Amino acid sequence: NAGVTQTPKFRVLKTGQSMTLLCAQDMNHEYMYWYRQDPGMGLRLIHYSVGEGTTAKGEVPDGYNVSRLKKQNFLLGLESAAPSQTSVYFCASSSSRDRMAQHFGDGTRLSIL
Amino acid sequence: QKEVEQDPGPLSVPEGAIVSLNCTYSNSAFQYFMWYRQYSRKGPELLMYTYSSGNKEDGRFTAQVDKSSKYISLFIRDSQPSDSATYLCAMSGEPSGGSYIPTFGRGTSLIVHP
Repeated sequence: NAGVTQTPKFRVLKTGQSMTLLCAQDMNHEYMYWYRQDPGMGLRLIHYSVGEGTTAKGEVPDGYNVSRLKKQNFLLGLESAAPSQTSVYFCASSSSRDRMAQHFGDGTRLSIL
Repeated sequence: QKEVEQDPGPLSVPEGAIVSLNCTYSNSAFQYFMWYRQYSRKGPELLMYTYSSGNKEDGRFTAQVDKSSKYISLFIRDSQPSDSATYLCAMSGEPSGGSYIPTFGRGTSLIVHP
């Protein structure tokens, strides 16, 4: 009963490098979300998806891309990492029957040097 | 001014105390009000959510919404050391693009000491 699993848990990158964060959920949820959490800022939505093959921008989408090729997976990509993208990234999912109830993973801690 | 304001604390209380956590908001379109608990180095966990005004109770937790004052509260009765965590409020209006998009507060750090 894994719920929402995020990979990797920690990562250190150099400025300009690229990487992909993986989110996988085993609850057959239609909706998936990527947030970032910074001290004093709360959770901010980066991108979200309302179903397989669909994505939409959130509050802070610049510098990120996403893909939802399979229903259970939601990928967040950083094409050219910047120090301002140092953050804790959380993925969440919710079902169409209860869209308000978002289930979160335990986060990916990303440092950009 | 942020849409959702939440005092970051920390709030320190003795075990057994009644805890009151609060958020204010400015967007009158918010209809759904949520409370999440987040332990250190973990993801947020939904405690409860309510629609529009009124109260909702779940065990030791009671959520209260006053839309006229744009003020929401979470009360924790008989607080325990295991309640020590950061509590996030979140709010949403009607669906946008098919999904409810919550706006989160910054979170209040709660410490319950034995």
